[in-house]
Amino acid sequence: DIQMTQSPSTLSASIGDRVTITCRASQSISSWLAWYQQKPGKAPKLLMFKASSLESGVPSRFSGSGSGTEFTLTITSLQPDDFATYYCQQYDSYPYTFGLGTKLEIK
Amino acid sequence: EVQLVESGGGLVQPGGSLRLSCAASGFTFTSYYMSWVRQAPGRGLEWVASIKDDGSDKYYVHSVTGRFSISRDNAKTSVYLQMNSLTAEDTAVYYCARGLTYCSGGACYLVYFDHWGQGALVTVSS
Repeated sequence: DIQMTQSPSTLSASIGDRVTITCRASQSISSWLAWYQQKPGKAPKLLMFKASSLESGVPSRFSGSGSGTEFTLTITSLQPDDFATYYCQQYDSYPYTFGLGTKLEIK
Repeated sequence: EVQLVESGGGLVQPGGSLRLSCAASGFTFTSYYMSWVRQAPGRGLEWVASIKDDGSDKYYVHSVTGRFSISRDNAKTSVYLQMNSLTAEDTAVYYCARGLTYCSGGACYLVYFDHWGQGALVTVSS
């Protein structure tokens, strides 16, 4: 199975900051990677797919990059609504797997 | 508007069974893979099972193979998860999710999940 490792597990930042979350795959997954945002008690929300494609309706301050085994999600100019937990997911091969998540907290 | 509404969650004893349902609306159900993803309390997301648009192919995470069964009724635009031999490790919120596909060389593959239901809580405890 492909293991997805996210870092950091927790990130403290302030409104207006630029933050980057990293996701590493245990083997190459090309660009078959998605990012989701989840708020407490709510379902996950798709942010990015194919590593760097922005889902419709998602603000342009979100961006993704990477291929192979290393990927990043960057949020520029953090807004209050962005404080949540972020997950990466590989869809290169079954079983599809998620990272353990990165909790973005207000500093 | 895409809507996915799960039902059937609840408290079940270890070794017991439960059937989750997900009623879909607002899109052409027969054009999409459907999946179940779960989240144990305070934990991350875990993909559980997926079923192809016509029901011909099904995929499962190793830990539920032989115990869980995913199915769909396209006439009722619903997807189901039959869960047997439940253990405490199956306690989680179970999300129904719509899956997009990528087609290449005449074959189509499930990729990521673009719409999710609100979730159904399954608690396995004596």
